[in-house]
Amino acid sequence: TQLLEQSPQFLSIQEGENLTVYCNSSSVFSSLQWYRQEPGEGPVLLVTVVTGGEVKKLKRLTFQFGDARKDSSLHITAAQPGDTGLYLCAGAWAGNNRKLIWGLGTSLAVNP
Amino acid sequence: EPEVTQTPSHQVTQMGQEVILRCVPISNHLYFYWYRQILGQKVEFLVSFYNNEISEKSEIFDDQFSVERPDGSNFTLKIRSTKLEDSAMYFCASSEMQSGANVLTFGAGSRLTVL
Repeated sequence: TQLLEQSPQFLSIQEGENLTVYCNSSSVFSSLQWYRQEPGEGPVLLVTVVTGGEVKKLKRLTFQFGDARKDSSLHITAAQPGDTGLYLCAGAWAGNNRKLIWGLGTSLAVNP
Repeated sequence: EPEVTQTPSHQVTQMGQEVILRCVPISNHLYFYWYRQILGQKVEFLVSFYNNEISEKSEIFDDQFSVERPDGSNFTLKIRSTKLEDSAMYFCASSEMQSGANVLTFGAGSRLTVL
């Protein structure tokens, strides 16, 4: 069974702090996506990484795909209350990029 | 910005009843999906659909489930005889046909509660 493990499961920080959340697997993925989900809504895509070692930036968010394409991290700089939400990673297997395997998510609360 | 729309947003049904969840994918997308998320659990793949047929389904998608694209815009998920364990958020998604990384756009979900 292909598993994506996310850590930490819950994170509560103060506005202005930096944080990193992780997405790890023992399996190789052809691509990995990060989503953000608000309560009562569907996941919204933040970024897709496809190349080992790739780093992508989205304003204060930095995403990195591990060299071996088994893990990824999301770093948020100077977190704001608007960053509060559930951050999900989802991976696609090589040869089957239409079926996503999901992590359980990191629930982030940024307190003002 | 184009979006995937789902109806109903919330449906409550009795065990054993049939349920149809509806989705309108993004108009130029060619792949359609259903995922579900049981409360507190991971998002799970149910089925993918392309060219008017199922391209892949998970072990969850047994003969109680079916999907259909009855016209040029709607994509439906039918559960023939609901069970308590079918209670979940059901997400529809669509994507363009492309090679490499696949970009899915998700709807807001339909919450199904089976009593």
